[in-house]
Formats: sequence, structure tokens, C-alpha cells
Amino acid sequence: EAQVTQNPRYLITVTGKKLTVTCSQNMNHEYMSWYRQDPGLGLRQIYYSMNVEVTDKGDVPEGYKVSRKEKRNFPLILESPSPNQTSLYFCASSFRRGDGYTFGSGTRLTVV
Amino acid sequence: SQQGEEDPQALSIQEGENATMNCSYKTSINNLQWYRQNSGRGLVHLILIRSNEREKHSGRLRVTLDTSKKSSSLLITASRAADTASYFCATDDASPYDMRFGAGTRLTVKP
Repeated sequence: EAQVTQNPRYLITVTGKKLTVTCSQNMNHEYMSWYRQDPGLGLRQIYYSMNVEVTDKGDVPEGYKVSRKEKRNFPLILESPSPNQTSLYFCASSFRRGDGYTFGSGTRLTVV
Repeated sequence: SQQGEEDPQALSIQEGENATMNCSYKTSINNLQWYRQNSGRGLVHLILIRSNEREKHSGRLRVTLDTSKKSSSLLITASRAADTASYFCATDDASPYDMRFGAGTRLTVKP
């Protein structure tokens, strides 16, 4: 089944403790993105990647890192999480820029 | 910053009625897409309309695009309770960024 898989689905962590949210797609898509969703703000893009080893900042990249060492994987790294990073995170992929996205199921992160 | 803005923020209708949601955007676009999100879940792609298209259909969905007004509308005909969800428009523009999403319209279809 064609899908984008995110893990974990839920995560509660403490301020400053490094964490990684994994994202993997099995559709050979070139484009991958990370978004965060907050009430009233819609989805805001954190980082995106056009292909392996090519990443760029979105609207809200501060406090996040990404890497794209393999085409299928696009992990999101929070080096030192803070409470304002409490949010619902989505990974998404598409074959090329501008195509319809396939979204993962989301990761609900709480930083206390 | 957001590109698309949906209107209304919330819409409540009876089953069988039509639902219309609007999206306005600010800059020139390559295409505009509509997505559905059931509560807290991942978004599902519904339909894509390119900047040189004016109207597109998919099942009970009809999307229009007016590039002169920088606006789009999504019409769901003969709505069902299962259509209850949030609907988002997203634009692919010429900016360095990838797809940009609006804040969404929350649709409630009452049985």
C-alpha cells in the first residue's frame, strides 16, 4: 500500500531533550515536506526537500533540523525542544513539486 | 505566512444540501489544491486545478478557479454526514517555498 509512515504517533517529552520524528514513504517520491498544524493557524511548512541531499527552509524552520540521506526517509529533528513546539506534525510527499501530497497520519508532540 | 484563506471558517448544513467553501490567495499560482482532514488525522488530497483551468469535477466535488480574482471555490453536492471534516486549500506559487495551506473551513453535515 502506498503510504507515508510517521513515528511515533504520540510523544510527550521534556524541554531540552533531543528527539527525532521519523518519516518514510514507499512511493519513490522526490518531494517531501514537514508541516506543523496549530489551532487557528492552519498548516505551516517547516522544511522541505526536493530530492536526496537537497533541503530548504519553509516558513517556520527555527528550532528544527532535517536530513535527506535516502530518497524514502525524511526525519525531523528537534535538538532542544521547547514548549512552543508542542503541535501536531505532518510529513507529506509528492512525486514532484506541485503534485498532490500524500500525508502521514501525524505526530502529536507535547513538550513540557 | 499563509497564502490561501478559506471562507467561511465554519459551515453547518443538513445532509443532502450543497456546501460551498471559498479560498482566496495573494500571489500568482501554478496550481491550487483542495484537501480534506478528518479530526486530527492526515490530510487527504481531493482535487488539483491548474492555473489555466477554470473548472474541474471529481464525483460530487466541483472546483472553480478565477485567477483574475485570485479565488477558488469548492462545491460539495448532496452532502453526507461522512463529509464532515475540515477542508483546506493549498497553493503552489512561484515562491521558494513548497505548498502553502490556508487555515481551513470546518464543515459539519447534520444527518
